[in-house]
Amino acid sequence: GAGVSQTPSNKVTEKGKYVELRCDPISGHTALYWYRQSLGQGPEFLIYFQGTGAADDSGLPNDRFFAVRPEGSVSTLKIQRTERGDSAVYLCASSSGGGVTEAFFGQGTRLTVV
Amino acid sequence: AQSVTQPDIHITVSEGASLELRCNYSYGATPYLFWYVQSPGQGLQLLLKYFSGDTLVQGIKGFEAEFKRSQSSFNLRKPSVHWSDAAEYFCAVGASNTGKLIFGQGTTLQVKP
Repeated sequence: GAGVSQTPSNKVTEKGKYVELRCDPISGHTALYWYRQSLGQGPEFLIYFQGTGAADDSGLPNDRFFAVRPEGSVSTLKIQRTERGDSAVYLCASSSGGGVTEAFFGQGTRLTVV
Repeated sequence: AQSVTQPDIHITVSEGASLELRCNYSYGATPYLFWYVQSPGQGLQLLLKYFSGDTLVQGIKGFEAEFKRSQSSFNLRKPSVHWSDAAEYFCAVGASNTGKLIFGQGTTLQVKP
């Protein structure tokens, strides 16, 4: 596609439920990043994929959060037993390679846990 | 620890006036620096970046930024602000090996007519 696509754009879920957030990166981009942006804050790094493998998952807040990228393109961020504090905008970005290059961001998924 | 500080949470300027948004960073190695803009309901858009070389970098929409190593700063400037520049601006430093970005908390720019 022309840009990074994230679905759904909005997700409302009940506390304790499981959610999946999807990211379609720019075609051919090998690097993929997930960030979380809480209200009034800058994005915070969650996890970085280079190809299919998670090269850096140091930003995942706890073991309720997990992400996969099985074929090196689409990625899914999975959150188990959601809590109200998980409410945020989840941003996905992709870039053409590892290391510092321009990252292109999707418009995000707004997750609301009620 | 790596960090980015944007001291001004909110700035209001008149249309046509000049603008400077401040950014200070803490990073142990050579910093790779970015400015992003986020308009309501929009994704983050890259305004400009500094990797090396000339410390004054030009970006899109008439923005520029100057890297000052001695002050650990990377301030964003624009000589004449337009109403369409109203948005949230984020400064970020990039890790050289992974490309992950560490963002500041952002500065909200309001433009008065």
